[in-house]
Amino acid sequence: GAGVSQTPSNKVTEKGKYVELRCDPISGHTALYWYRQSLGQGPEFLIYFQGTGAADDSGLPNDRFFAVRPEGSVSTLKIQRTERGDSAVYLCASSPNSGQPQHFGDGTRLSIL
Amino acid sequence: GDSVTQMEGPVTLSEEAFLTINCTYTATGYPSLFWYVQYPGEGLQLLLKATKADDKGSNKGFEATYRKETTSFHLEKGSVQVSDSAVYFCALSDHQFYFGTGTSLTVIP
Repeated sequence: GAGVSQTPSNKVTEKGKYVELRCDPISGHTALYWYRQSLGQGPEFLIYFQGTGAADDSGLPNDRFFAVRPEGSVSTLKIQRTERGDSAVYLCASSPNSGQPQHFGDGTRLSIL
Repeated sequence: GDSVTQMEGPVTLSEEAFLTINCTYTATGYPSLFWYVQYPGEGLQLLLKATKADDKGSNKGFEATYRKETTSFHLEKGSVQVSDSAVYFCALSDHQFYFGTGTSLTVIP
C-alpha cells in the first residue's frame, strides 16, 4: 500500500529479551519519527531521522533503546534487555520533510511479560 | 520546552450538538499546529492544520484557529455525528512534534 507500514503489528516477549520493530515509510518521505504511546496518553516522541541520520534522539528513554535508518528509507527500532515498563504501542510516522504533517502507521503493540 | 495541553475527556455529546475541545500550547518559536484524530481500531490521521497566527484549519466540518495572543488552537464543530466518535489529539511542530494526551469523544444518537 501507499501508507506507512509497521511490522509486526503485535509482539509479545519475555522480560530481558531483545526486540526489533520495523517501519517502512511512505516512499520519498525524508523525515521519519518514532513515538511510544501508552494507554490513555498521547504519542511520546522518541527519535527523528532526516534521511539516514538521527537528527534528534532526545526522546529515547535510556541506552537500551536504539534506532537506525541505514539507507534513508526503512527504519528499525531496537530495544535491548526489555522491561515490563516498555510495554506500549510504538508508532512510526513519516513526512515529506521535517515540520510537515506526519502520516502514521498503525503501530506495533509490544507486550513484555 | 514546548508542550501542548488539551482538555481532558471523556466527552459525551448527543448527535447534532456543538463541540469544543480546548487546546493550549507553549512554544519558544513559531510552531505549526495540528489536530489529529484516531478512530476506533485505526491509526492516527491528520484532521487539520494551521501554520501561522490567525490561520484557520478546517476539514470535515471541524475548524480550529491559530490564536497567538491566547496560545490556543481550540477544535470546534457545529453539529457532531455518531461517526465523529474518536480520540482527538492536539499537536505542535517546530521540527519535533509534541502531542497532547488526547480527548475521547463519544457521540450518541
